[in-house]
This record gives sequence, C-alpha cells and structure tokens, in this order.
Amino acid sequence: AQTVTQSQPEMSVQEAETVTLSCTYDTSESNYYLFWYKQPPSRQMILVIRQEAYKQQNATENRFSVNFQKAAKSFSLKISDSQLGDTAMYFCAFNQGGSEKLVFGKGTKLTVNP
Amino acid sequence: NAGVTQTPKFRILKIGQSMTLQCTQDMNHNYMYWYRQDPGMGLKLIYYSVGAGITDKGEVPNGYNVSRSTTEDFPLRLELAAPSQTSVYFCASNSDRGPNQPQHFGDGTRLSIL
Repeated sequence: AQTVTQSQPEMSVQEAETVTLSCTYDTSESNYYLFWYKQPPSRQMILVIRQEAYKQQNATENRFSVNFQKAAKSFSLKISDSQLGDTAMYFCAFNQGGSEKLVFGKGTKLTVNP
Repeated sequence: NAGVTQTPKFRILKIGQSMTLQCTQDMNHNYMYWYRQDPGMGLKLIYYSVGAGITDKGEVPNGYNVSRSTTEDFPLRLELAAPSQTSVYFCASNSDRGPNQPQHFGDGTRLSIL
C-alpha cells in the first residue's frame, strides 16, 4: 500500500521569509499524482498545488512551488514570501493513477510569525 | 456558488445512537468521497462513489454506510455510534476524471460520541 510521510509535525517562519515543507512517499508504480492541500483554522481543505509524476518540470503556483525528486520519492513544498494567511496545516497527498483513493500524510502545522 | 455543503457542522451523540451526515454538491461532479480526520492525523477515506448508484469502501469503512441515489447527494450513516467514531468528517467531490484531479471539500462536521 502507498504511504505518505511528513516528517515535520510543526514548523514556523517569519513573515516574508521562505519555508520548505517535506514529504516523502512510497510506491512501486510510475503513474501517480501528488498534491499539497492547505487546511487553515477554518478547517476547509484547499488545494495548493498538484504534480503529475510523468512531468519532470516542478509545478508552481504563485508563491508556492514544489521540488519533485522522483527517484528519491520526495515532494517538498516551498513557500516564498510567507504571509500571515499561510498559517495552516499542510497535507501532502498521493493518488495512484487509476485508483479512486487519495492517501494523505499526517500533516505539518505551519505558523507564520509577524 | 455553494460548492460542497455539509450538515450539520457540529453534533454530539450518545453511544449507540444513529445519525446521518448530509453532503450535497452543486458542481455536477460524479466523484464524491467521505473522509474522517482524527486529531493529529491526515484524512482517511471511509467510502467513495463514482456516480449515482455506485459506491465502494475506502480505507476505514467499518461502522458506516453510504448511499448515492442522486448525483448531488452522498449521505453518510452511522448506525450504532461508538466513541472511536469521534472525529471530524469531510465530504469532497471532483470531476469525472477522478481523484487525480483537485478535490473540492466541504467545511466538515465535528462529531463527538459520548
């Protein structure tokens, strides 16, 4: 079974600085998708960024970018110019191509300090 | 645009009681999901549906039942509530292309079993 590991339970960063959240996953397949979801205190899960495994280029969405290392099975999220509104739980998630299931990591609690 | 709507937002049940968590979406999505989120953990899939009349078990289905009579609605039923079912429950949906696409989440239902 696929597993997703987030090794940093909590992190903090100063406003305007850059922070990187780590995620590793385990799979023997080559066709899969990776996601970062954000869960602010309001609780609603919001998609931050999505990566398709067959694409070598790292996904980018404004201040959010990923470092996708397929051989190392690593999928880290970089947040540039951190803002107070970035304070949230961040979940890494994995979907095996053809599967109906999304597997989540345990999350990293990020606090952005003023 | 309402997106995914869950009711109720909070509920306290006594052991052995039953209840139905409601979920409805107005995006005409065929794929719908129920997750539970325990403290300090990521989301775990309970049940999912790929269209009206079609449901299947996820990772943690025991103690729950679902039905999907319409595209819009995907209720989750707890028949005999147990303390282990105390959790936050999220409903989600996405397009015909399945969970490799971004999922849209509801705001969650916080359920306590006492």
